[in-house]
This record gives sequence, structure tokens and C-alpha cells, in this order.
Amino acid sequence: EAQVTQNPRYLITVTGKKLTVTCSQNMNHEYMSWYRQDPGLGLRQIYYSMNVEVTDKGDVPEGYKVSRKEKRNFPLILESPSPNQTSLYFCASSPLSSGRAPVEQFFGPGTRLTVL
Amino acid sequence: DQQVKQNSPSLSVQEGRISILNCDYTNSMFDYFLWYKKYPAEGPTFLISISSIKDKNEDGRFTVFLNKSAKHLSLHIVPSQPGDSAVYFCAATNRDDKIIFGKGTRLHILP
Repeated sequence: EAQVTQNPRYLITVTGKKLTVTCSQNMNHEYMSWYRQDPGLGLRQIYYSMNVEVTDKGDVPEGYKVSRKEKRNFPLILESPSPNQTSLYFCASSPLSSGRAPVEQFFGPGTRLTVL
Repeated sequence: DQQVKQNSPSLSVQEGRISILNCDYTNSMFDYFLWYKKYPAEGPTFLISISSIKDKNEDGRFTVFLNKSAKHLSLHIVPSQPGDSAVYFCAATNRDDKIIFGKGTRLHILP
């Protein structure tokens, strides 16, 4: 089944304790992206990647890191989480069309992160 | 500065009637506009898109209209069905490969 998977689905942690949220897709998509969803703010793009070893900042990259060593995986790293990073996080993937940002993205089920 | 705006946080529509969701944008460089639908506890799913060179795109019960001069787009759902109750996000993209989403509109379809 074609899908985007995220792990963990739920995570409660404490300020300053490094964590990684994994994202994996089995559709051979070039484009992958991370978003956070907050009440009243909608979906905001954190980082995106056009292909292996190519990553770029979205609208709210502060406090996050990503890597794209393999095409299928795009982990989100919080080196020193803070309470303002408590949010619902979504990973998404898409094939590129004419080498540009995708139109249709496939989203994972989300990871609810709480930072105490 | 919010580049994609959905000014109605929620909308209630009678089943069988037309639902119209609105979206405004400020960046004239956007060249694709997208609508996503989201149910609770699930990731968003793509619904329909429109290129900036078009003014209408239709897919079954869903039609998106684009008015470039007004920097406005709308999603029409007709007839509305109970399964359409969800949060709808408008989004836009341009050649810098970023995707900007609006804050979403929660649609309630009333029986």
C-alpha cells in the first residue's frame, strides 16, 4: 500500500531533550516536506526537500533540523525542544512535476508532540 | 504577513445545498492553487487544484474558481454531503518550491 508513515504518533517529552520524528514513504517520491499544525495558524511548512541531499527552509524552520540521506526517509530533528514546539506535525511527499513544487502531496497521519 | 487567507473559520451548510469556501491571497507570483481536506486524527488529503492560467477547474462535485484580478479563489461543493464535513485548507505555491497554506475553514454539513 502506498503510504507515508510517521513515528512516533504521540510523544511527550521535556524541554531540551533531543528527539527525532521519522518519516518514510514507499512511493519513490522526490519531494518531501514537514509541516506543523497549530490552532488558529493552520499548516505551516517547516522544511522541504526536493531530492536526496537537497533540503531547504520553509516558513518556520527555527528550532528544527532535517536530513535527506535516502530518498524514502526524511527525519525531523529537534535538537533542544521547547514548549512552543508543542504541535501536531505532518510529513508529506510528492513526485515532482516539471522539476517544481508539487501540487498534490500525500500526507502522513501526523505526530502529536508535547514538550513540557 | 499572511499570504493565503481563509477569513471564515467555520461554515455550516444544509445537506444537499451548495458549500462555498473562500480564499484570498496576496502574492501575485503564485502559479498554482490547491485545496486540501482534513478529517480529525488524519493527515490532509488533496482535493483539487487550479493553475493560474485557468479560471475554473471541475472534478465531480468539486469546482474551484480563480479570480486573479481580485486575488481570490473559491471552492464550490455541490451537492454537499455529510462526508464533506471536515476542515478545508487553501494553499498556494510558486516557483520557489514553498507551499503556503491558509488557516483552514471548518465545514459542517447539517442534516
